[in-house]
Amino acid sequence: EAGVVQSPRYKIIEKKQPVAFWCNPISGHNTLYWYRQNLGQGPELLIRYENEEAVDDSQLPKDRFSAERLKGVDSTLKIQPAELGDSAVYLCASGDGWGTDTQYFGPGTRLTVL
Amino acid sequence: DAKTTQPPSMDCAEGRAANLPCNHSTISGNEYVYWYRQIHSQGPQYIIHGLKNNETNEMASLIITEDRKSSTLILPHATLRDTAVYYCIVRGTYKYIFGTGTRLKVLA
Repeated sequence: EAGVVQSPRYKIIEKKQPVAFWCNPISGHNTLYWYRQNLGQGPELLIRYENEEAVDDSQLPKDRFSAERLKGVDSTLKIQPAELGDSAVYLCASGDGWGTDTQYFGPGTRLTVL
Repeated sequence: DAKTTQPPSMDCAEGRAANLPCNHSTISGNEYVYWYRQIHSQGPQYIIHGLKNNETNEMASLIITEDRKSSTLILPHATLRDTAVYYCIVRGTYKYIFGTGTRLKVLA
């Protein structure tokens, strides 16, 4: 079974530029999560989807971050404009939505903002 | 969600059992204990989870104390590939709150 797929794996941009990250969850998984992981820290939740609905976006900086999950499958996380402090690894995870909804993580996208 | 406390680092000899402790003294009755690990430049990998009883799978064993205030993850025969950061998470709702984890180094 294929795991969570993310692209790109690495991205380097100048500050004030836009950037987008893509996630394809495990087939059949209803829930999808985006996390941000700063260097030396554990991941922090940005947004959670149940199917196509964002059910928790309380930690998403909405002035510059946006996310969508069209058709309840793939998801895109966007930053516009990027700031130096956005340099981090952005992780996507998916869960089957049943029982304890164990989350399975993708490899992440490492963003460097110059 | 309850907070967890883990030692920042541990060493273990290759082939020996690695025992990683976690304190979660404020855990509630319906909160699960989850363990993940993160190898350098990869996403967190699910290891095991439990509520009250001890659990075992092909990767590890999870021992939860009777009062549920602490747990231990056991890797029975550590290999060099087990070198990683190990996160203990207490989860009630869907939200995972990661700490800084334990950096386990397996020594040859």
